Amino acid sequence: DTGVSQDPRHKITKRGQNVTFRCDPISEHNRLYWYRQTLGQGPEFLTYFQNEAQLEKSRLLSDRFSAERPKGSFSTLEIQRTEQGDSAMYLCASSPNGLSYEQYFGPGTRLTVT
Amino acid sequence: AQSVTQLGSHVSVSEGALVLLRCNYSSSVPPYLFWYVQYPNQGLQLLLKYTSAATLVKGINGFEAEFKKSETSFHLTKPSAHMSDAAEYFCAVSEMAGANNLFFGTGTRLTVIP
Repeated sequence: DTGVSQDPRHKITKRGQNVTFRCDPISEHNRLYWYRQTLGQGPEFLTYFQNEAQLEKSRLLSDRFSAERPKGSFSTLEIQRTEQGDSAMYLCASSPNGLSYEQYFGPGTRLTVT
Repeated sequence: AQSVTQLGSHVSVSEGALVLLRCNYSSSVPPYLFWYVQYPNQGLQLLLKYTSAATLVKGINGFEAEFKKSETSFHLTKPSAHMSDAAEYFCAVSEMAGANNLFFGTGTRLTVIP
């Protein structure tokens, strides 16, 4: 069990560019969550998947954001036409089915939009 | 709807002193409650969780928390602070049923003074 991994750990991009982040959950964890954390705040829920199905999306997830989990394993989060307000830490978590409250977090991807 | 309030964004204690981090929750349904710790530039690590069993919950690194329904509180304590406890601590709440996405407080930064 290697834990949840995220790639890249840091990303600096210019406003208007697209970025994509990857999350690899703990193997055999059915549920996968994305959160966003801005400076001085707690993480805020963005979306979650059960296997490959995206079952819930927060209103924080604007049309510029899209998340996928095509084979029920790793997930990607894409932000199109980035804005400075998108600068944050993007955290991924996974949990086993039946214990969905027990979420294990990855190290996060820190996005800086200049 | 669920929400969490953490009183005190910064708490300083002397090494060896009692640690008390406060958390009050709001939930329209029976909650699950959690404390997470975050070290600089890292993801969140689960310290302990309340899932409707014993109201006094013991976690890792000597931390514990007590669920008090009458006070809607879930305060985190440790009898004797260690330098390695310096970090950001987040309280979170989730519904007992459903997606179980977590709602986090704004965090409390703990400083341990030698």
